Amino acid sequence: SQKIEQNSEALNIQEGKTATLTCNYTNYSPAYLQWYRQDPGRGPVFLLLIRENEKEKRKERLKVTFDTTLKQSLFHITASQPADSATYLCALDPSGNYQLIWGAGTKLIIKP
Amino acid sequence: KAGVTQTPRYLIKTRGQQVTLSCSPISGHRSVSWYQQTPGQGLQFLFEYFSETQRNKGNFPGRFSGRQFSNSRSEMNVSTLELGDSALYLCASSLGQGVDTGELFFGEGSRLTVL
Repeated sequence: SQKIEQNSEALNIQEGKTATLTCNYTNYSPAYLQWYRQDPGRGPVFLLLIRENEKEKRKERLKVTFDTTLKQSLFHITASQPADSATYLCALDPSGNYQLIWGAGTKLIIKP
Repeated sequence: KAGVTQTPRYLIKTRGQQVTLSCSPISGHRSVSWYQQTPGQGLQFLFEYFSETQRNKGNFPGRFSGRQFSNSRSEMNVSTLELGDSALYLCASSLGQGVDTGELFFGEGSRLTVL
C-alpha cells in the first residue's frame, strides 16, 4: 500500500544539538516533497520543499535531503533551540494534482 | 498580506446536526483545499477547489461537501454529524496552477466537537 512514515515517537534533543527527522515513503515517485511545522492547535506552516532532482536544500538552520532511491527525506535542524519544539510533518503530492499525502508527524522536543 | 482565515475557530454540535465552516484564502490564491486532522488519522485530504470547481476529492462520505465562490472563498459542510467527525478542520490555499509547487498556506483551523 502507499504510505508515508515518520518516527511516531517523540524525539528529545538537547539544545544546541542537531535534530534529524526521517520521512520514508513507499510506492510513490513524487516530483517533490514538502516539510511543515505544526504547533499545538495551529495549522501547519510550510518550511521547505525539495524537488526530485535536488539532493539537498537549505534555509537558515534547516536542511532537507531527498534520496529518491531510498525513498527517504531527512530534515535537519542545526543549533536547535527550545523554540524549535513542535511537530514536523512531511508531505508529498503523488500525482501532481494538489492532493497532498501526509506523514503522521514527529514531535520534536528541544530541552534547554 | 493577510493569511488564510477560517471561521468559526471552535464549535460544538450534537449528533445529527449539520455544520458549515468558512475559509477565506490569501488574496490571489485560487486553490482552496480542506483537510481533516485527528490524533489517530493525522491529516486527511477532503477536497480541493480551484476557480469554483472541485478538482479533487478524498475518500470521505457524501456527508462532507464543499463549494467555492467566485471570490475564491470556500465553505465546507458536514451533514448528519457523527461522533467521529470531531476533529480539527483545516483549510489551505495556494496559487493552484502554473509555477505553483503546491506549497500550502494553512488557516488556524476550525475545531469541531460533536457530542
